[in-house]
Amino acid sequence: QVQLVESGGGLVKPGGSLRLSCAASGFTFSDYYMSWIRQAPGKGLEWVSYISSSGSTIYYADSVKGRFTISRDNAKNSLYLQMNSLRAEDTAVYYCARGVYSVTTFAFDIWGQGTMVTVSS
Amino acid sequence: EIVMTQSPATLSVSPGERATLSCRASQSVSSNLAWYQQKPGQAPRLLIYGASIRATGIPARFSGSGSGTEFTLTISILQSEDFAVYYCQQYNNWPPLTFGGGTKVEIK
Repeated sequence: QVQLVESGGGLVKPGGSLRLSCAASGFTFSDYYMSWIRQAPGKGLEWVSYISSSGSTIYYADSVKGRFTISRDNAKNSLYLQMNSLRAEDTAVYYCARGVYSVTTFAFDIWGQGTMVTVSS
Repeated sequence: EIVMTQSPATLSVSPGERATLSCRASQSVSSNLAWYQQKPGQAPRLLIYGASIRATGIPARFSGSGSGTEFTLTISILQSEDFAVYYCQQYNNWPPLTFGGGTKVEIK
């Protein structure tokens, strides 16, 4: 079945780094744009980053620009988020999400279960 | 950045009743709006996109309407499984993609 599975979360000290991975299955990964979206404990949803199906177009939220890097490996059906210079305010559940199969609709129809990132000393 | 504002923050409704949730954009987003449902401990689920198009597998009791800056999600007959938090998201003018703060639908 169509599935996204995140991994790589954990506890990290301020200023540290983590790399999140998202393994896709059950669909042609290279056909879809993807995003990372996060949710701080007890809070709402915050879009973090976007990558086009080919990887040629990338966007970031201002809150993570210059610190986070999104990438994908279509041969491995995988999405990544390299997070550097982590701050306490980056503490959240991080979801990878698949975009709707459309060039004009930027909504997300498949989500992973999320991976928790905690930034604390 | 387009700011999305949802109201009310909490909506108390009895099962079988109708629920009406609102989402307002700080500037026009045309019909480029999506709605999601999120239950505790779960990932969000896409309900509506294009302001009124139900996503695959979404029951007909969920309907979306509106355009420009004012949008509504209506749940016609609330079922027990519909008690959750609902988010709107605009994708008209981005980056960034922006979400509303959410409306919690709770049992009255």
